[in-house]
Amino acid sequence: AQTVTQSQPEMSVQEAETVTLSCTYDTSESDYYLFWYKQPPSRQMILVIRQEAYKQQNATENRFSVNFQKAAKSFSLKISDSQLGDAAMYFCAYRIPSGAGSYQLTFGKGTKLSVIP
Amino acid sequence: NAGVTQTPKFRILKIGQSMTLQCTQDMNHNYMYWYRQDPGMGLKLIYYSVGAGITDKGEVPNGYNVSRSTTEDFPLRLELAAPSQTSVYFCASGTENTIYFGEGSWLTVV
Repeated sequence: AQTVTQSQPEMSVQEAETVTLSCTYDTSESDYYLFWYKQPPSRQMILVIRQEAYKQQNATENRFSVNFQKAAKSFSLKISDSQLGDAAMYFCAYRIPSGAGSYQLTFGKGTKLSVIP
Repeated sequence: NAGVTQTPKFRILKIGQSMTLQCTQDMNHNYMYWYRQDPGMGLKLIYYSVGAGITDKGEVPNGYNVSRSTTEDFPLRLELAAPSQTSVYFCASGTENTIYFGEGSWLTVV
């Protein structure tokens, strides 16, 4: 079974600074997707960024970027120029593209990010 | 642009009662999911569906049932509610490369 590990239960960052959230995963698949979701206090799950395993280029979405190391099975999220609105729980998730499980997501336990003004 | 819509948003149930959480998506997605999130935890899959008429169990299916009679709707039925089912429930739908979530339904069983 696939597992996703987020080793940092809590992180904090000064406003306007950069922070990196860690995620590792375990899989025997070669083709899969990785995601970061943001969950603010409202509890809504918001897709932040997505990475396809067959793409070597790291995904970027405005201030959010990832460092995808396929061989190391590592998928970290970098938030640049942190803003107060970035404060939230961040979940790393893994998904196989076909077969058993039919595209279901497996989640890590999350990292709570605080932004200090 | 509705996306994934869940109802109700909040509900208090007494032990032993039953209820249905409704979920509708307007994106014509084949894949739909129900997750639960307990306090301080990530999301765990309850049931999923790959299309109308097809459903299957996820990681934590006990105490729940689902049906998928149309592409749009994927209701989750709680039978004989127990305190252990107090949680936030998320419905989601998606394609191969992404999943969209509803806003969640907060359920308390007392």
